[in-house]
Amino acid sequence: EPEVTQTPSHQVTQMGQEVILRCVPISNHLYFYWYRQILGQKVEFLVSFYNNEISEKSEIFDDQFSVERPDGSNFTLKIRSTKLEDSAMYFCASRGQGVTEAFFGQGTRLTVV
Amino acid sequence: AQSVAQPEDQVNVAEGNPLTVKCTYSVSGNPYLFWYVQYPNRGLQFLLKYITGDNLVKGSYGFEAEFNKSQTSFHLKKPSALVSDSALYFCAVRDLRGGYQKVTFGTGTKLQVIP
Repeated sequence: EPEVTQTPSHQVTQMGQEVILRCVPISNHLYFYWYRQILGQKVEFLVSFYNNEISEKSEIFDDQFSVERPDGSNFTLKIRSTKLEDSAMYFCASRGQGVTEAFFGQGTRLTVV
Repeated sequence: AQSVAQPEDQVNVAEGNPLTVKCTYSVSGNPYLFWYVQYPNRGLQFLLKYITGDNLVKGSYGFEAEFNKSQTSFHLKKPSALVSDSALYFCAVRDLRGGYQKVTFGTGTKLQVIP
């Protein structure tokens, strides 16, 4: 069964460093998303991406965040200068054309120290 | 704006008993509604969805959910709970009006099935 894969599973970084979280969506899916979940809290929408551009973003997704689909398979989330409060589980998701539900990856746990 | 409320942080149920996890939603237009389950240290797994049609929808692992437009609810149910159902359950909504892509999640309900 096809699945969304995320790497790494756990990333530890120092405050102020840049991190790139990687995702390989399900092939032939066209809509891509990043969500985050701070420990013990709700799952929060960050950004959606379609047709090589951002279609929606939340207020969390400020100038420190960016997304990219550098090739036909990867979808990345970059945080330019990490803050302690960026520590969270980051989930990538993808959705096919004409399909209503998104499929999520296993997540990357980001720890900023 | 779209929002979801899950009024219970935790639901405890004895194995073999029926379970209900509550969800209410708020959207401007017609909703797409979803339930996802999260096992410890795992991602979100899709359980079921309501798009249109029958108000009772069936999903994975014997779960079902009932859409009630007048009460703006989408409660998750299962006739007989298993210990392996213990997990965190998230209700989610997507508003069709405005072409929104994002799905808004509730705060989650921890289901504990007691042997």
